[in-house]
Amino acid sequence: NAGVTQTPKFRVLKTGQSMTLLCAQDMNHEYMYWYRQDPGMGLRLIHYSVGEGTTAKGEVPDGYNVSRLKKQNFLLGLESAAPSQTSVYFCASSQPQGAVETQYFGPGTRLLVL
Amino acid sequence: QQQVKQSPQSLIVQKGGIPIINCAYENTAFDYFPWYQQFPGKGPALLIAIRPDVSEKKEGRFTISFNKSAKQFSLHIMDSQPGDSATYFCAASGGTSGTYKYIFGTGTRLKVLA
Repeated sequence: NAGVTQTPKFRVLKTGQSMTLLCAQDMNHEYMYWYRQDPGMGLRLIHYSVGEGTTAKGEVPDGYNVSRLKKQNFLLGLESAAPSQTSVYFCASSQPQGAVETQYFGPGTRLLVL
Repeated sequence: QQQVKQSPQSLIVQKGGIPIINCAYENTAFDYFPWYQQFPGKGPALLIAIRPDVSEKKEGRFTISFNKSAKQFSLHIMDSQPGDSATYFCAASGGTSGTYKYIFGTGTRLKVLA
């Protein structure tokens, strides 16, 4: 039971390049999320999904796209990377259970855009 | 109105001390308040959470105090240990955004000296 895994762990891009970050969870969770973490700004929600085939915008969606074709996977795409997208990206998943809403986070992907 | 303000940014205490981290929110519709702990190079993990129907919740050495009228909540770590050195994030969710969408505070970096 690996929980939430993220690929790759680290990547360097040049401005204008594209890439896809992959998140996978083996807990059969309905909900999945992509966050970015920047110093002094906490975690900010980029996009999220409440089920297979659904996606929705979070706080900071500009410059990113997502897809959830399979329940266990949530992909984050950068079509044309910019230096402002240098950050640590975290994927998380959760399962609605009434009073408890634990989000389980992956280990993160560190992205540097030059 | 969607912000969660967290203080202090950083905190240094001696082993055995009781660090206190404070958070304040504005949206009275928020009804779930988790705290996450993050070690360097790792993803955040749920530490403890509270709902506004109680004023205090304890789990081991960790206690959340909640003041609904002041719209504030805080994390207390009893008998702190060097292993508690980490970054702590408060969060809030609920209302029209749904319980599953968190608004995170900006984080507090805690160092416990041996």
